[in-house]
Amino acid sequence: QSALTQPASVSGSPGQSITISCTGTSSDVGGYNYVSWYQHHPGKAPKLMIYDVTKRPSGVSDRFSGSKSGNTASLTISGLQAEDEADYSCSSYTSSNTWVFGGGTKLTVL
Amino acid sequence: QLQLQESGPGLVKPSETLSLTCSVSGGSISNDLHYWGWIRRPPGKGLEWIGSVYFSGSMYYSPSLKRRVTISVDRSRTQFSLKLTSVTAADTAVYYCLRGDRYGSATDSWGQGTLVTVSS
Repeated sequence: QSALTQPASVSGSPGQSITISCTGTSSDVGGYNYVSWYQHHPGKAPKLMIYDVTKRPSGVSDRFSGSKSGNTASLTISGLQAEDEADYSCSSYTSSNTWVFGGGTKLTVL
Repeated sequence: QLQLQESGPGLVKPSETLSLTCSVSGGSISNDLHYWGWIRRPPGKGLEWIGSVYFSGSMYYSPSLKRRVTISVDRSRTQFSLKLTSVTAADTAVYYCLRGDRYGSATDSWGQGTLVTVSS
């Protein structure tokens, strides 16, 4: 299985919205509604931001939203804040009963 | 609240076996509503899924690591472990243990992570 494809970096100004894409295949992203997104700050454990494509865990801001179309999932962050600056990774269940991550996207808040 | 804590050597020599344990407290490990897994993040790289195990014993591993990895549950000690054989410098990473939802893509508990360096 190959890693899911994410852009290496995205940036935006405070208050703006950004979208991070996560492209896989019909054997992972496209085949299951089991896509999750993680926020990762250096030195800390990854934090689950979105699961099952669109669901938000309790305590996660509603500025974070997820969607999927075909083999591509997306994470949108609206009303960007400085604290959103971090690495973001997507993950998907696969047809091999395994999980696969994307390469990660570094979000810079300008 | 469930807490997970990784433990094990921070330095492993090339060709040897990396062994880590994840201790679980504040909850039960003995059910199949969740899986117990390991993920790692090499320096400067993204997250990599290593594998997962259910209390019943079912195991699933990353195809790229399958020949070298074993994940098991120690029912008596409320912990689960990771063994990775024949390590190389490419296995240097921060290793995380976690609990995931069997019926979805949610993970609700993570360890803080432990850095393992492979070097002679």
